[in-house]
Amino acid sequence: GESVGLHLPTLSVQEGDNSIINCAYSNSASDYFIWYKQESGKGPQFIIDIRSNMDKRQGQRVTVLLNKTVKHLSLQIAATQPGDSAVYFCAEKNSGANSKLTFGKGITLSVRP
Amino acid sequence: GAGVSQTPSNKVTEKGKYVELRCDPISGHTALYWYRQSLGQGPEFLIYFQGTGAADDSGLPNDRFFAVRPEGSVSTLKIQRTERGDSAVYLCASSLGSVNTEAFFGQGTRLTVV
Repeated sequence: GESVGLHLPTLSVQEGDNSIINCAYSNSASDYFIWYKQESGKGPQFIIDIRSNMDKRQGQRVTVLLNKTVKHLSLQIAATQPGDSAVYFCAEKNSGANSKLTFGKGITLSVRP
Repeated sequence: GAGVSQTPSNKVTEKGKYVELRCDPISGHTALYWYRQSLGQGPEFLIYFQGTGAADDSGLPNDRFFAVRPEGSVSTLKIQRTERGDSAVYLCASSLGSVNTEAFFGQGTRLTVV
């Protein structure tokens, strides 16, 4: 079946370093992708999105890269801070008739002080 | 309100009982989604509303689950004859439209069936 998944379950980084979180998706019809951050006891929080007509998008301290050829998505966080510690999910959508977001399993980012 | 509001935040119920979970979306958002999240997993799609109608209910696990959005704003997720396996966090999200617009999530309702 089609799925969205993440390569690693956990990622530990030193405060101040850059973080890279990777995601593979298998639905070639997906044309919209979102990264969410979820802290304990809270709902997912939107970080950044990208449409399939782009391969890179930058936000504040975050960059999302999309490689449609290999169906790969990544989230880069610059100068990682303790407040970035959370679970990160990539999600994908086919903007056709079915507009549900399909989430991967999540990766935990742990920032060492 | 400022964001998506879900009530109650926590619900403990006995096996076999009926529960209702409420979602107040962001004002003006026409699309509303329900998801279920088990510990350590990503949110799992249940149902999506565009306005008052359920545009996609393919994620509802069985006929014990039902959701309504009668006036195109507030939505209620209803679970009949609850089972212990229904225990999870139920998340609601809303967005301005259904095509490539970001969805904002509420804090979720933690349902525990004992």
